Amino acid sequence: GIQVEQSPPDLILQEGANSTLRCNFSDSVNNLQWFHQNPWGQLINLFYIPSGTKQNGRLSATTVATERYSLLYISSSQTTDSGVYFCAGPGSGYALNFGKGTSLLVTP
Amino acid sequence: ETGVTQSPTHLIKTRGQQVTLRCSSQSGHNTVSWYQQALGQGPQFIFQYYREEENGRGNFPPRFSGLQFPNYSSELNVNALELDDSALYLCASSWGLAGSSSYNEQFFGPGTRLTVL
Repeated sequence: GIQVEQSPPDLILQEGANSTLRCNFSDSVNNLQWFHQNPWGQLINLFYIPSGTKQNGRLSATTVATERYSLLYISSSQTTDSGVYFCAGPGSGYALNFGKGTSLLVTP
Repeated sequence: ETGVTQSPTHLIKTRGQQVTLRCSSQSGHNTVSWYQQALGQGPQFIFQYYREEENGRGNFPPRFSGLQFPNYSSELNVNALELDDSALYLCASSWGLAGSSSYNEQFFGPGTRLTVL
């Protein structure tokens, strides 16, 4: 399966700021997902985005499959955006391989 | 539409004991995957069940086993618990078979937090 690297590992923002999270992967993908893990451990689906661009409210994501990266944009961040953001791509067999995550803290 | 549910939410066991965790897949989904997430790490794939058969396994020993039932719900069993088994166990459901043209995104349950003392 592919290797997934996420950056930055940690990010602290003031409320209202914008941010970009990056996910690099080692090979071409036919599946890429972005998740937000809240403080209680729930993984919330943000985007299923093997290629192209999608938007959902203040969040958007772009995957450039030919260059093996995906970006998650958060605009006008809110304290409720805090948590860990994971991207995941296809692993061996039918697994999802997760990156180590970006831990985001949004302060008032 | 009912989402993925897991039970119990928390569990405390001692070394050497056995544990069973349960997962109900999202309605319309026929595939269940289990992941282990240690503190500060990303989830690690344990195995996947499709049509009641194990269909792919990560780097976990045989004392991690599972079942899928005709209604697509699933159980994860761990025998001879070790301290390192303490983790959040996540279940995900999806429709179809990953890697095929019918692969769809995975949706996760809230997890079961297992503590082994």
